Amino acid sequence: QKEVEQDPGPLSVPEGAIVSLNCTYSNSAFQYFMWYRQYSRKGPELLMYTYSSGNKEDGRFTAQVDKSSKYISLFIRDSQPSDSATYLCAMAYNNAGNMLTFGGGTRLMVKP
Amino acid sequence: NAGVTQTPKFQVLKTGQSMTLQCAQDMNHEYMSWYRQDPGMGLRLIHYSVGAGITDQGEVPNGYNVSRSTTEDFPLRLLSAAPSQTSVYFCASSPELAGTSYNEQFFGPGTRLTVL
Repeated sequence: QKEVEQDPGPLSVPEGAIVSLNCTYSNSAFQYFMWYRQYSRKGPELLMYTYSSGNKEDGRFTAQVDKSSKYISLFIRDSQPSDSATYLCAMAYNNAGNMLTFGGGTRLMVKP
Repeated sequence: NAGVTQTPKFQVLKTGQSMTLQCAQDMNHEYMSWYRQDPGMGLRLIHYSVGAGITDQGEVPNGYNVSRSTTEDFPLRLLSAAPSQTSVYFCASSPELAGTSYNEQFFGPGTRLTVL
């Protein structure tokens, strides 16, 4: 079993929809939780990160971490065609924040 | 700033050939790392370096060598390429090795490698 599981999609939604992306993990030692966005044939870029549990909001994006359920989510409000990309969740241990364990990524398509 | 640059963008090798994937960053970052990305597998850490002269293994180091002679450069060497090394390779850098805080990692554009 992989340490971090992520539904590969593809997930297709109409423009303006609310998108929910999720990851589950098995190792309770993870303390840093990140979401990366990767456009086709590009490197990943950091969207948001959260330390431990809780919510974090940045514009149209909200990240949630539920450590008791080992479950993290990324919500995108008012989705735009420019949000079409692969979204990767990543996690790291305390005192090893650079060494990331990634999920497999979810491909999102937002249709105009 | 160019950020993190990688060369070449594409490469095709035959089994048994060797090559070096180049990675450079101009942000004076201490920490650099190499990942490979395979379909459905996300990115997996191959090797990393916390500064010039210091390297260590990640999750999938077999078949790869690294060295770090300068802060700017972190090349990845395939000594004898195998079809299982067909993948997209990403180099990343961040300001320093994170302790109790998170440092954003900046990724390069990737090198697409095919081994026949």
